[in-house]
Amino acid sequence: QVQLQQSGPGLVKPSQTLSVTCVISGDSVSSNRAAWNWIRQSPSSGLEWLGRTYYRSGWYHEYSASVKGRMTIKSDTSNNQVSLHLSSVTPEDTAVYYCARDLSGVGDAWFDTWGQGTLVIVST
Amino acid sequence: DIVVTQSPDSLAVSLGERATLKCRSSETVLYDFNKKSYLAWYQQKPKRPPRLLIYWASTRESGVPDRFSGSGSGTDFTLTINSLQAEDVAVYYCQQYFRTPYTFGQGTKVEIK
Repeated sequence: QVQLQQSGPGLVKPSQTLSVTCVISGDSVSSNRAAWNWIRQSPSSGLEWLGRTYYRSGWYHEYSASVKGRMTIKSDTSNNQVSLHLSSVTPEDTAVYYCARDLSGVGDAWFDTWGQGTLVIVST
Repeated sequence: DIVVTQSPDSLAVSLGERATLKCRSSETVLYDFNKKSYLAWYQQKPKRPPRLLIYWASTRESGVPDRFSGSGSGTDFTLTINSLQAEDVAVYYCQQYFRTPYTFGQGTKVEIK
């Protein structure tokens, strides 16, 4: 059974970098079947896909245009985890951040497993 | 980006009755080569992450009660909840995975009348 356990600070100051970690159990971050996505949810924007990382004989990353240039996803094979780093945050980045798995490596790209969510508030 | 629009925004249904939720994509999410629509449905309860209900527009995820069913193809889709139960009170989202950026509808809130 795949489980995703998230952690991260609940409060970040404007202009700083927001970081959230997702520890994977029951699957491998470097699986050729899976991709590891970051999705956020806010009352103003609803559910918003931010980006994903996956391994297919090499690491690949995709980012939404809304955060491209500010967002980096890192993969840590030693600790079997992925992390989201979003720089230069503003109050508009306040949201619940989720990691989620899809199995796009075998053509199944829906999100079948989600982390519990991490509320991040951007405020002074 | 593919825009996904759900209707209605909220819906009140009596216990045991049927709930019908709609989802429309701004362009087709049907792949000609496999005749599959790249559309999923999720249920979200307060303070919880979304839960996958349906994928390929009509395939029920393992463990999902059979009162939940999905239909549609191309750009127009429906989630039907037959015989609504109290535990079905939630917000329901559709999502296209035809291409990135993956996009979600704004959600339909289902309540008990």
